[in-house]
Amino acid sequence: KAGVTQTPRYLIKTRGQQVTLSCSPISGHRSVSWYQQTPGQGLQFLFEYFSETQRNKGNFPGRFSGRQFSNSRSEMNVSTLELGDSALYLCASSPPLGGLGSDEQYFGPGTRLTVT
Amino acid sequence: AQSVTQPDIHITVSEGASLELRCNYSYGATPYLFWYVQSPGQGLQLLLKYFSGDTLVQGIKGFEAEFKRSQSSFNLRKPSVHWSDAAEYFCAVGPQGSGNTGKLIFGQGTTLQVKP
Repeated sequence: KAGVTQTPRYLIKTRGQQVTLSCSPISGHRSVSWYQQTPGQGLQFLFEYFSETQRNKGNFPGRFSGRQFSNSRSEMNVSTLELGDSALYLCASSPPLGGLGSDEQYFGPGTRLTVT
Repeated sequence: AQSVTQPDIHITVSEGASLELRCNYSYGATPYLFWYVQSPGQGLQLLLKYFSGDTLVQGIKGFEAEFKRSQSSFNLRKPSVHWSDAAEYFCAVGPQGSGNTGKLIFGQGTTLQVKP
């Protein structure tokens, strides 16, 4: 099976702009989670989507939002970008509940966002 | 508050030497425990996990970890380190129960350098 894919891999944006990142989970996975990784704050949970519904949410401002489509692909959006939003954004997918390894998360390679 | 502490930010070991990476957690209930590895420019790869049962768990690449409830620790070990093990290692905890797969809390990471 193909792994989790994220596009684009690298992105440079200017303060005040908005950005949309995309994540395609492993085939058959319905849960998609997003994390932000920075040198200062480490890995922080943004939100999780399951069956097109946000199931869990981390402690991030409303500028960070996401959605999930019926094919389980997910997008996250950051509006009004700030310099501090520069980070590696990681997406992870999980197998169906009750299935083998359903509490594991499989990570994609990430999208490196640089805000100037 | 829920947290994960990896006391060692950076560790250097010689190739062939043994390795132990420390992880302590603070969690209200019995958590799921994970170790992930991240190579430069890559996403996270799951090394091993603990859900219940035998407190010594085996993972990929020759790694193992031991869960000690009394010490709230989940240390990662490898008897003989290879140069390819140089990477950043993350300990993570997550809540048990369905519907909570996305809420992993990560430690700050330990960077492993391997000397030839």
